[in-house]
Amino acid sequence: QITLKESGPTLVKPTQTLTLTCTFSGFSLSTSGVGVGWIRQPPGKALEWLALIYGNDNKYYSPSLKSRLTIAKDTSKNQVVLTMTKMDPVDTATYYCAHWYRVGGYYFDYWGLGTLVTVSS
Amino acid sequence: SYELTQPPSLSVSPGQTATISCSGDKLGDKYTSWYQQRPGQSPVLLIYNDNRRPSGIPERFSGSNSGNTATLTISGTQAMDEAAYYCQAWDISTDVVFGGGTTLTVL
Repeated sequence: QITLKESGPTLVKPTQTLTLTCTFSGFSLSTSGVGVGWIRQPPGKALEWLALIYGNDNKYYSPSLKSRLTIAKDTSKNQVVLTMTKMDPVDTATYYCAHWYRVGGYYFDYWGLGTLVTVSS
Repeated sequence: SYELTQPPSLSVSPGQTATISCSGDKLGDKYTSWYQQRPGQSPVLLIYNDNRRPSGIPERFSGSNSGNTATLTISGTQAMDEAAYYCQAWDISTDVVFGGGTTLTVL
């Protein structure tokens, strides 16, 4: 059974750096074609993809946010960490991590419950 | 950058067929997935590889993809299908991309 859970601060101040952790179970990032991605959703708005990492450490970022994002994995802990710098109130959103499968297609088949991050002074 | 366009909203009566479109340049050349998100919940994968359903997804959900448009079809729409629906594709220039979402109202 694949599960993912996001953790991190619920409130950050403008200009600060946000660090979120995705702890997963039921799969290995070492499996070919498997990755973990981060997606966010501002209140009442659409999903926005942020970043993706594979077991071979290949990393991919949203072009519009690339300069602010860093994704990394800790295979021994089954964790993926997302760092976003220079947080702004417009970054207030629910942040999801999800299991990504890239075999004959490209999709997120398992999602965490999400964590709401509010950016406010 | 690559973009996917969906209608913001759609209303259908119970029992009718709901058709949600997702358009993008040469989208038919890419694999498209669809997600359902009920209020307050995480997205759920409905369709992957254009027309395949994960286990547990009802047969009334189907997908197609050709030309510049992918389509999610919900046959015999039920009240429980009221939700937001998002298409998603992968493009070599922008990697993962989501559509803007379509809110389906069943009334």
